[in-house]
Amino acid sequence: AQSVTQLGSHVSVSEGALVLLRCNYSSSVPPYLFWYVQYPNQGLQLLLKYTTGATLVKGINGFEAEFKKSETSFHLTKPSAHMSDAAEYFCAVSGSSNTGKLIFGQGTTLQVKP
Amino acid sequence: DAGVTQSPTHLIKTRGQQVTLRCSPKSGHDTVSWYQQALGQGPQFIFQYYEEEERQRGNFPDRFSGHQFPNYSSELNVNALLLGDSALYLCASSWSAWGNEQFFGPGTRLTVL
Repeated sequence: AQSVTQLGSHVSVSEGALVLLRCNYSSSVPPYLFWYVQYPNQGLQLLLKYTTGATLVKGINGFEAEFKKSETSFHLTKPSAHMSDAAEYFCAVSGSSNTGKLIFGQGTTLQVKP
Repeated sequence: DAGVTQSPTHLIKTRGQQVTLRCSPKSGHDTVSWYQQALGQGPQFIFQYYEEEERQRGNFPDRFSGHQFPNYSSELNVNALLLGDSALYLCASSWSAWGNEQFFGPGTRLTVL
């Protein structure tokens, strides 16, 4: 069985400050991990993904995440927040197969203050 | 490339009615997955279609059914609507050889009164 826990349903940062969104997963098979962003009244957009190989993954819009197997974590970071980063962020896990079923966390709302 | 498209954008139904939602996958994709996203929650996997068959199913009752057509487009049907079925329904498409990377459509907002 697989699950995802996102710590903190709401995170507030000032513009220009570090963004850190936390994600811990549980998986009985080697996981594939994803971060998606959702803007109001829109679908989900893939920010980045970890499948195999390098554990530090770079995504779009300056975001990156590091897969830490020993901590079962996949936290999302961005060095400097921008107002346009305000959105809902979802961490997701799937098994290393081609079935593609994604298990999502509850989401974290990122607020960026001017 | 049009990406994943869904119709309609919004829908209002009453309890007990039936609804059909439609999805066209991204060009080159042959697999379609459906998710339900209740307000303030993460998306929940309903089922996935590949080669016109349901390949995998989440914890949803039989009131939720689907279909995939030869052109890979898909429909989600929900019978005997309940108030709790009110949600954003997301369609995601992927390529069977690398099914884990899914591209999402904008969703259909279903309101059940």
